[in-house]
Amino acid sequence: NAGVTQTPKFRILKIGQSMTLQCTQDMNHNYMYWYRQDPGMGLKLIYYSVGAGITDKGEVPNGYNVSRSTTEDFPLRLELAAPSQTSVYFCASSYSTTGRGSQPQHFGDGTRLSIL
Amino acid sequence: SQKIEQNSEALNIQEGKTATLTCNYTNYSPAYLQWYRQDPGRGPVFLLLIRENEKEKRKERLKVTFDTTLKQSLFHITASQPADSATYLCASPKSSGDKLTFGTGTRLAVRP
Repeated sequence: NAGVTQTPKFRILKIGQSMTLQCTQDMNHNYMYWYRQDPGMGLKLIYYSVGAGITDKGEVPNGYNVSRSTTEDFPLRLELAAPSQTSVYFCASSYSTTGRGSQPQHFGDGTRLSIL
Repeated sequence: SQKIEQNSEALNIQEGKTATLTCNYTNYSPAYLQWYRQDPGRGPVFLLLIRENEKEKRKERLKVTFDTTLKQSLFHITASQPADSATYLCASPKSSGDKLTFGTGTRLAVRP
């Protein structure tokens, strides 16, 4: 199994450009997440989805949009790129976290994005 | 405010020794804690989960403890190897049904 696949691996954007970071998973997980990771700051949740057609904001959603039309795909859209969005972006997926315990999250290898 | 914190300084140890990493939380009581490993240029990989009613969890050379009195989880790697060198992240929900909040991670370097 491929697990969680993110594309592209690297990208350089100019200020004001837009792009979509792609994420797909083949584990039939209903939960999917987008994080950004900045040096010394840890992973911050941008958006998450509990199933196809359902998305919700995380801790740092401003400047981003998401959609979830299928179970497998969860793209992240940057409409007007800003230098503050320079970061490493990780997509993750898991089974449902409802109930007493929590399911582990499975991460892709990230997209390294620079905004110049 | 609610925080989950890890020592930002790297931990350097000799091969064969036990590595101990710390995760502290303040102003909340997590139902569980998760530990992940992250290698440079890669995404985090899940290692262990420990619930609030469990004092200790083991998996091969790994051991995690959860002390709700000290508000702390310890992550131990026994008989450490250079291949264990990586950054280790702890994570927990800040409230029931909440999403995971991650610590900043502690980098472990095991020298031969």
